[in-house]
Amino acid sequence: SYVLTQPPSVSVAPGKTARITCGGNNIGSKSVHWYQQKPGQAPVLVIYYDSDRPSGIPERFSGSNSGNTATLTISRVEAGDEADYYCQVWDSSSDHSWVFGGGTKLTVL
Amino acid sequence: QVQLVQSGAEVKKPGASVKVSCKASGYTFTGYYMHWVRQAPGQGLEWMGWINPNSGGTNYAQKFQGRVTMTRDTSISTAYMELSRLRSDDTAVYYCARLVGEMATSYFDYWGQGTLVTVSS
Repeated sequence: SYVLTQPPSVSVAPGKTARITCGGNNIGSKSVHWYQQKPGQAPVLVIYYDSDRPSGIPERFSGSNSGNTATLTISRVEAGDEADYYCQVWDSSSDHSWVFGGGTKLTVL
Repeated sequence: QVQLVQSGAEVKKPGASVKVSCKASGYTFTGYYMHWVRQAPGQGLEWMGWINPNSGGTNYAQKFQGRVTMTRDTSISTAYMELSRLRSDDTAVYYCARLVGEMATSYFDYWGQGTLVTVSS
């Protein structure tokens, strides 16, 4: 089955840039999507198709995908960005066809 | 605006079944596949399966095959997920989520608020 690997935690000071990675075998050939989940809330889509932003998501959120790593970048981090972030792909070889990474807890210092 | 509203929290005993509903509004219910994703306490997201609200066709993750049944009622724009033979490790928040895009590039653009299912004797 296809595995997406995320760091369990990332910490960043307010105003700085946070980068959250999502590793997978040749993930650059897939479309990667990112979700933000705050405590007690449902996930919210923040990036789709590697780097597109849904309406209402600040331009501070961006994404990239190449080789074996996809990256969610959050610029000028704010306290309100503190949340869990999950990457997601679809994989034809995996029973779990819609695959999520294990999640990364973003802590704003 | 698109909304997915789920039924309330449930407490079940081991071996019982639970049925969670997801009422859709703000879009054509039959136009989008509905998926179910669960999240155990303190854990990540786990995909369970989907239902095609138009045809009623389903596909389940192998882990849940034989225990999960997804259905829909198009007259009230509602999808259902029933999980049987519950175990303590089925304790989780269950989400419905609308899928958009072509399969290989698809993603979930709207999610229900989640339904906590607690399995305890």
